[in-house]
Amino acid sequence: LAKTTQPISMDSYEGQEVNITCSHNNIATNDYITWYQQFPSQGPRFIIQGYKTKVTNEVASLFIPADRKSSTLSLPRVSLSDTAVYYCPSSGGSYIPTFGRGTSLIVHP
Amino acid sequence: DTEVTQTPKHLVMGMTNKKSLKCEQHMGHRAMYWYKQKAKKPPELMFVYSYEKLSINESVPSRFSPECPNSSLLNLHLHALQPEDSALYLCASSQGAQEEYGYTFGSGTRLTVV
Repeated sequence: LAKTTQPISMDSYEGQEVNITCSHNNIATNDYITWYQQFPSQGPRFIIQGYKTKVTNEVASLFIPADRKSSTLSLPRVSLSDTAVYYCPSSGGSYIPTFGRGTSLIVHP
Repeated sequence: DTEVTQTPKHLVMGMTNKKSLKCEQHMGHRAMYWYKQKAKKPPELMFVYSYEKLSINESVPSRFSPECPNSSLLNLHLHALQPEDSALYLCASSQGAQEEYGYTFGSGTRLTVV
C-alpha cells in the first residue's frame, strides 16, 4: 500500500513562512496530491490539492515537482491558530486516501 | 450547505448496549465514508459507500454495521463494543469516489465504551 512520508513535528513562530514537505515515492499516475489540516477533536479539513506544478489558494500554496515524488505545503505568515496536524494522504491509485502520521506544527508567539 | 453533520458529538455506552452514529450531508455528494481515529493517530478507513452501495469494508469487525438509507445519510450501528473501540469516529463525503474531488469531514463523534 502506497504511503507518504512527512516530518513528525515542526516548530515555527508567528509571522514566519512554514514549508512542510511530503514524500510520495509510490505515487500513481492518476493520484492527486491533497493536504488536510486537523485540529484536536475535529475532523480533517481540506486545505489544497494539485496534480503538478504550483497551486495557490487563499490559505496556502502547494508546490509539486515534475517527477511528483514529493510535494511542499507552504503556509505564509503563520499565526497561533495554524497550530495543527497536517496530512498528505496517499491513495496508491485506489482513489481512497490513506492517512499517514502527519506533521504536528506548533506555532509559538 | 457545505457541511457534514455528525450526531451525537459525544457518546458513552456500555459493552452490552446498542447505539447508532448518524452522519448527514446535503452537498449532493455521492460517496460517503466512515473513519476511526484513536488519540494521536491518523484516521483509519472503515467503510466506503459509493452511490449508496457499500464498496469497501476494511476488515472491520461485525460489531460495527454501516447503513446508507439514502444519498444524504450514513449510519454506523454499534453493538457489543469493547473498550478498545473507544475513539473519534469521523464521517466524510466527496462528490464521487475519486480523489480529485477532495473530502469534506464532519467533526466526529467521540465514543467511549465502558
